[in-house]
Parts: sequence; structure tokens; C-alpha cells
Amino acid sequence: AQSVAQPEDQVNVAEGNPLTVKCTYSVSGNPYLFWYVQYPNRGLQFLLKYITGDNLVKGSYGFEAEFNKSQTSFHLKKPSALVSDSALYFCAVRDTGGGNKLTFGTGTQLKVEL
Amino acid sequence: KAGVTQTPRYLIKTRGQQVTLSCSPISGHRSVSWYQQTPGQGLQFLFEYFSETQRNKGNFPGRFSGRQFSNSRSEMNVSTLELGDSALYLCASSPMTGLVETQYFGPGTRLLVL
Repeated sequence: AQSVAQPEDQVNVAEGNPLTVKCTYSVSGNPYLFWYVQYPNRGLQFLLKYITGDNLVKGSYGFEAEFNKSQTSFHLKKPSALVSDSALYFCAVRDTGGGNKLTFGTGTQLKVEL
Repeated sequence: KAGVTQTPRYLIKTRGQQVTLSCSPISGHRSVSWYQQTPGQGLQFLFEYFSETQRNKGNFPGRFSGRQFSNSRSEMNVSTLELGDSALYLCASSPMTGLVETQYFGPGTRLLVL
């Protein structure tokens, strides 16, 4: 069975500094990986996904993610954090058995401070 | 295009009752998935429907059921509610035109069971 791990419950960063939210995965077969963000009392918003190809995936709102097959990681990054980036971030992997089932990590709370 | 809509947004029920939640996918999307989000268990997959057929099912008891209509709208039903069913229920839709689809989430229905 596939799984993802987000080792940090919370990440604090100062506005203007680069941010990284970590994710590692475990899948049999090709990994299809996603990042979503959730603001309070809202649903999940899609940020980016990795299917194949370039290891650096660019997404919405200036976010990007680096896929590393040897380290089985898919870390989310942004060069310069904004206070408005403060939210709950989820990494997810799609089930290899077909269909759209996503297995999510436990989430990382990002707090960007002035 | 309008996003995924879910009704109602908030619901209060008592133990033993049943509840039906509704999801209207993005126009043209044919796959609808449901997820449960709780503080303790995180985001968990309930089921997926495609062309009115259940394609995937998560590890939830039979009290949780769903269906999809010919216009791709979906409903999920929870019978004999328990306190532990209190959660945010998220619906997601995808077009099913490619290999790895992005799922777009609705705002969720927050269910409180008393």
C-alpha cells in the first residue's frame, strides 16, 4: 500500500525567507504525487502535482516542489514566503490501483511571521 | 466554471439519525470522490464514483454509502450516526480525461453529531 509522511507538524518561517515543507512517499510503481493547501474552514486547494518528467514541478501561487526518486521525497518549496501562505499543507499520493483515490499525509501547519 | 459545490455547509444531527450530503461536481467532471477529515484521523478516503458506479471504496463501515446520478452529481449517506462521525466531509471531482487527474475539492460539509 502506498503512503506519504510529513515529518513536521508545524513549520515556522519569517516573511521573505524561503520555505520548505517536507514529504516522503512509499509506493510500488510510479509515484503520482500532489500538494494541496487548506485554509481555515475551507476545502483543499490544488497546488501542484508530479506525474513524470522534470523533477522540479512549478505550481500555483509561486510554489514549486522537488521530486527526488533516490530519497523518495517530494518537498514543497517557495523562494519567498508571505504571511498569506500561512495554512495547512497536505502531501498526497494517488493509489496505483487505478481510479482517483488519494492517500494523504497528516498535514503540516505553516506559519509565516512578520 | 463554477467550482465543486456541497450542500449543506453545516449540519447538526443526533446519534442514531441518518444524514445525506450532496455534491455537485465541476461541469464536465465525471468522477466524484468523498473524503472524511477529522483531527484524529486526518483525511481519509471514503469512496469514488465514476459513471454512476462505485469504483473505489475506503475502509469505512457499511453505514457509509453513496451514489452518483446520471448528471454526475453525487450524494453520500450515513445511517445510524455515531459521535465519531462528526467531521468535515469533502467532495472532489475530476474530469477523467487523462492518465493522472487533478481532483478539485469543494468547501466541505461540516457535520456535528450530538
